[in-house]
Amino acid sequence: GENVEQHPSTLSVQEGDSAVIKCTYSDSASNYFPWYKQELGKGPQLIIDIRSNVGEKKDQRIAVTLNKTAKHFSLHITETQPEDSAVYFCAASSDTGRRALTFGSGTRLQVQP
Amino acid sequence: NAGVTQTPKFRILKIGQSMTLQCAQDMNHNYMYWYRQDPGMGLKLIYYSVGAGITDKGEVPNGYNVSRSTTEDFPLRLELAAPSQTSVYFCASSPRQGAAYEQYFGPGTRLTVT
Repeated sequence: GENVEQHPSTLSVQEGDSAVIKCTYSDSASNYFPWYKQELGKGPQLIIDIRSNVGEKKDQRIAVTLNKTAKHFSLHITETQPEDSAVYFCAASSDTGRRALTFGSGTRLQVQP
Repeated sequence: NAGVTQTPKFRILKIGQSMTLQCAQDMNHNYMYWYRQDPGMGLKLIYYSVGAGITDKGEVPNGYNVSRSTTEDFPLRLELAAPSQTSVYFCASSPRQGAAYEQYFGPGTRLTVT
């Protein structure tokens, strides 16, 4: 089955700096790669996603890049703000069968004011 | 739309007790999922359903059961609770149409088994 590894496990940046979180996946059949933000005591919330026919996607201060050959994808947050502090999860899925997500282990991002 | 709702928010069980975690969605989504999240870890799939009357096991199904009698509801049953089932449980739903894979999560149920 699919295996998703995520790095780093914790990341501390100064407000205004950029943050980058990286994930690798194992199943070449995976073709959907979402990123979720989880705030304390809440469920994961989708912030951006990318499909395998696209190399990069941007939404205001966040962007995701995908390298299918190397089987890795990354989340980039620019001009970080204190409200970006949360746990971020990457995930991977394929369009066959159950379409369930395989999650990475999460990155705790702390933005220092 | 309320989205995905889960009850209860918190529950403490004694070893050997049973309970049902409720999940409902009002978005007419065909796909529904149950995940568990252990401290400092990602979410792991317990069971899933691709439509009413159809369910199947995920990665960690032991000790759990599900049913899907309607499109809206997907309850998770714990029989003979064990300390290893202490976790936060999330229900999610997803539309079936085309290439739409997005999963929408509920707020979670925090379960402690002592």
